[in-house]
Amino acid sequence: GNSVTQMEGPVTLSEEAFLTINCTYTATGYPSLFWYVQYPGEGLQLLLKATKADDKGSNKGFEATYRKETTSFHLEKGSVQVSDSAVYFCALLNFGNEKLTFGTGTRLTIIP
Amino acid sequence: NAGVTQTPKFQVLKTGQSMTLQCAQDMNHEYMSWYRQDPGMGLRLIHYSVGAGITDQGEVPNGYNVSRSTTEDFPLRLLSAAPSQTSVYFCASSYSVGAFGGEQYFGPGTRLTVT
Repeated sequence: GNSVTQMEGPVTLSEEAFLTINCTYTATGYPSLFWYVQYPGEGLQLLLKATKADDKGSNKGFEATYRKETTSFHLEKGSVQVSDSAVYFCALLNFGNEKLTFGTGTRLTIIP
Repeated sequence: NAGVTQTPKFQVLKTGQSMTLQCAQDMNHEYMSWYRQDPGMGLRLIHYSVGAGITDQGEVPNGYNVSRSTTEDFPLRLLSAAPSQTSVYFCASSYSVGAFGGEQYFGPGTRLTVT
């Protein structure tokens, strides 16, 4: 079956630090990959996505590249801000299954 | 557009009570789903619907019922609440299954406590 593994949190960084949140997946076929973000007290929002191997998704300074050879979709940002404090979820959608499979989430806290 | 709305925001139930969590969307989305979010477990799919009159079970359906009589509404019913159902519940919708690479729009959530 499908599964998503994210790095354990919580992650605490200083403002302007470089961020990496690791995500690896297990799936048959060619899934689409997503990063969702959940700000405090809110529902999830799509942050970025990639639908095929070597695609790079990007949004709000965040990037992730779909690496089929390593089955990974790591989230990166060059310089984080306090406003990036949130929980980040990696997810996949395997066509034919049509249900999003989520990782457990990584809580990120940025300190000024 | 209000997007996806959920009511109530908070609810406390006693064991054995029943209730309905409401979910509505005004985007004319065909696909709607319910998730529960528990610490350390991410989001788990409870039930989903691919259109009015069509529902199916997700990963953790036991103790929950759904129906989809209109495109807009997708209520989640707890038949006899148990402490194990203490969680945060999210409703989500998307234009169709698989469309737009599966971008789902989430409601703000309902925090349920069962004592």
